[in-house]
Amino acid sequence: DAKTTQPTSMDCAEGRAANLPCNHSTISGNEYVYWYRQIHSQGPQYIIHGLKNNETNEMASLIITEDRKSSTLILPHATLRDTAVYYCIVRVSGAGNNRKLIWGLGTSLGVNP
Amino acid sequence: GAGVSQSPSNKVTEKGKDVELRCDPISGHTALYWYRQSLGQGLEFLIYFQGNSAPDKSGLPSDRFSAERTGGSVSTLTIQRTQQEDSAVYLCASSVRQIGSDTQYFGPGTRLTVL
Repeated sequence: DAKTTQPTSMDCAEGRAANLPCNHSTISGNEYVYWYRQIHSQGPQYIIHGLKNNETNEMASLIITEDRKSSTLILPHATLRDTAVYYCIVRVSGAGNNRKLIWGLGTSLGVNP
Repeated sequence: GAGVSQSPSNKVTEKGKDVELRCDPISGHTALYWYRQSLGQGLEFLIYFQGNSAPDKSGLPSDRFSAERTGGSVSTLTIQRTQQEDSAVYLCASSVRQIGSDTQYFGPGTRLTVL
């Protein structure tokens, strides 16, 4: 079973920041938080990941709470092309381990003009 | 650079036929994963390769499913005697193994329809 909980759906106005929450209250110390998104009929696209510190790249920012039990993905200026299902995944790290991803149902983000 | 590619993009077959799905990972990626996604669902892990060996086959749903990887590169997922419940999108991902995090990059998938 997935170790994360996300809202089923969210809406955001174009040009505004989209803040997507994720709960992972049972996360272990060596587990990373990954975010992927899947635009309709395409393969999943990697967005960002983090362990403890907040992370930022050209796509998004990831804010992880100090206790690591939840996180928020921020798309700073959402566009219509950001309409997709966003998946938050907790994945074990460490050499020699299978790094398979356990997927939940994600959050369906609708960006409205 | 080239990403993960999969072929065919779509496959329609009749119940009872065998099918082969192909995955070409990113060059130099030693880890390869197969997942499948049924309509409206999240991805379901099938099998993991490290090089040519498959240390985790736990997600294969039945003995009709098998996979191999040759030369540490291309992988083929074979489904024998297909059933209607095998209809799904089959996704392949590859990554570079390293200590710490390694990011999986996905192909576009093969949509399998069993009539």
